[in-house]
Amino acid sequence: EPEVTQTPSHQVTQMGQEVILRCVPISNHLYFYWYRQILGQKVEFLVSFYNNEISEKSEIFDDQFSVERPDGSNFTLKIRSTKLEDSAMYFCASSLRLAGTGSGANVLTFGAGSRLTVL
Amino acid sequence: GESVGLHLPTLSVQEGDNSIINCAYSNSASDYFIWYKQESGKGPQFIIDIRSNMDKRQGQRVTVLLNKTVKHLSLQIAATQPGDSAVYFCAEILTGGGNKLTFGTGTQLKVEL
Repeated sequence: EPEVTQTPSHQVTQMGQEVILRCVPISNHLYFYWYRQILGQKVEFLVSFYNNEISEKSEIFDDQFSVERPDGSNFTLKIRSTKLEDSAMYFCASSLRLAGTGSGANVLTFGAGSRLTVL
Repeated sequence: GESVGLHLPTLSVQEGDNSIINCAYSNSASDYFIWYKQESGKGPQFIIDIRSNMDKRQGQRVTVLLNKTVKHLSLQIAATQPGDSAVYFCAEILTGGGNKLTFGTGTQLKVEL
């Protein structure tokens, strides 16, 4: 079964450093997303990406964050100048169709996540 | 020191019993709803979905009920098994309104042997 893969599984960084989280979405998917989950809390939407541009972003997704699809397979989340409160699990997801227009398990497929710890 | 996250609501059930997990969603205009299961250290996994023109949908061992009047969703799991132990999240989408998937607060399901 196709899956979304994320690297690294865990990254520890010092406050103020830049971090890049990488994702390989399912190959024929067209829509890409980043979500984050602070420990013990709910999963929060960060950004969606389609046709090489951001289609929607949350208020959390400020100038500190950026996304890129540098080639045909990777989708990256860059966090500049990390803060302690950026410590969280970051999930990448992808979908073939716009979320809600597909059905069933095709809505969004999530990766296993990248745990970011900022010290 | 390390910050402590919010404690999730917890539902403990005996193996073999039925589980009912509830969720209140936020946007009365949302028209598509999904239940996700999240096991420790993994990403959310799709369980079942329902559109707003339905009030009930059944899958294998799972049933989702939707009450739009009170903005309430429930997930029923029949004959709960140890492998069902996980955190369960409901999520909502307003199709045509950005189609952003918004998660609710999760519920920790613990299955006791």
